[in-house]
Amino acid sequence: NAGVMQNPRHLVRRRGQEARLRCSPMKGHSHVYWYRQLPEEGLKFMVYLQKENIIDESGMPKERFSAEFPKEGPSILRIQQVVRGDSAAYFCASSPLRGPYNEQFFGPGTRLTVL
Amino acid sequence: KQEVTQIPAALSVPEGENLVLNCSFTDSAIYNLQWFRQDPGKGLTSLLLIQSSQREQTSGRLNASLDKSSGRSTLYIAASQPGDSATYLCAATVHNAGGTSYGKLTFGQGTILTVHP
Repeated sequence: NAGVMQNPRHLVRRRGQEARLRCSPMKGHSHVYWYRQLPEEGLKFMVYLQKENIIDESGMPKERFSAEFPKEGPSILRIQQVVRGDSAAYFCASSPLRGPYNEQFFGPGTRLTVL
Repeated sequence: KQEVTQIPAALSVPEGENLVLNCSFTDSAIYNLQWFRQDPGKGLTSLLLIQSSQREQTSGRLNASLDKSSGRSTLYIAASQPGDSATYLCAATVHNAGGTSYGKLTFGQGTILTVHP
């Protein structure tokens, strides 16, 4: 049973370009969380999704950021018109069930560098 | 708003020493607390998860305790080894404004552990 997969592992973009980060949850998991780790800062929650639904996006910037988790395929975190401040490591985690008691399993992260 | 604090920020110990990492949280109404390990440039590996009804969990040389009333958790590592060198993160599952929870984690800043031979 493969773990949480994220790709690409490293992504370089120039200011103003778009970044698309992909997350494939563990088999049988239908809940996905995205977190961001800025340089010299801790991990911060961004968004929580179930298949075809955004449940909680309270940690996601209102502009330029969007997330989806379609019925088929990976979850996508999309950043439009990237700026240098978006440079960070983006992690996704998956969980098998809804609710607070379920352990989250993390992927290896995508490290975004904005030039 | 839940805040999670970890002390010390960094710790350097000789191989073989037993050590304790500390985590405190401001909202005692947590659902669970999870300890992770993060190696440089890598993802997070879950070490232990303690549900709010539990007091401690053990896995090998690791033991994590939870005291909700005082807002504290500790991670005890016995007989440390150089391979234990990593950043250790604790994270609490928080309530939403309505008192429910979707399971999102609030992380501490981490403790950077170095175990030297």
